[in-house]
Amino acid sequence: QVQLHESGPGLVELSGTLSLTCGVSGGSINNDYWWSWVRQSPGEGLEWIGEVNLAEITNYNPPFKSRVSISVDKSKNQFSLKVTSVTAADTAFYYCVRGSHEGFLDFWGQGTRVIVSS
Amino acid sequence: DIQMTQSPATLSASVGDRVTITCRASQSISVWLAWYQQKPGKAPKLLIHKASNLVSGVPSRFSGSGSGTEFTLTISSLQPDDFATYYCQQHDNYKTFGQGTKVEIK
Repeated sequence: QVQLHESGPGLVELSGTLSLTCGVSGGSINNDYWWSWVRQSPGEGLEWIGEVNLAEITNYNPPFKSRVSISVDKSKNQFSLKVTSVTAADTAFYYCVRGSHEGFLDFWGQGTRVIVSS
Repeated sequence: DIQMTQSPATLSASVGDRVTITCRASQSISVWLAWYQQKPGKAPKLLIHKASNLVSGVPSRFSGSGSGTEFTLTISSLQPDDFATYYCQQHDNYKTFGQGTKVEIK
């Protein structure tokens, strides 16, 4: 069964760049799925940030589009998230998730907490 | 963008109760709706996709219905393991989640 695991700094400076990586095990990143990032904060609930596929095609949620980049590295079986110009509102749990072509999200990482500090 | 509204926000129920959670979309999403269960400190878990398709391994007491703009998640007989927060998510145009329904012990 596929497993996903987020890694990256838990603390990011205000106005800096948040960078997270998701390692995929128990299966290969392939074009049968989309590979998403979702975040969860007390104030905003669950928010889908965006997704990438193996062809490096990306889709971003419009509110995040100007600040977010999602990429994939097939050789390392991982995909990554970058969020620039972070503010306190970016403090959240960040999940990497496998998504079907229909759009539902079937396998989630355990999540990683990111705090934006001043 | 498509907004998802769940009701109620909190639901108090007892073991054995039949529980229904409603999710409304701001515009028609056909049947492109999923339901998730989340327990404290854990990631959401997919229960149902395409409005009524139960994920393999999910107990049959869970069921989903609806199309267009109105959807329901029903738990036919609430079990102790079902006390959790439930989220709907549309997957018709990008992805948007409802704000969640917490099912708590009465």
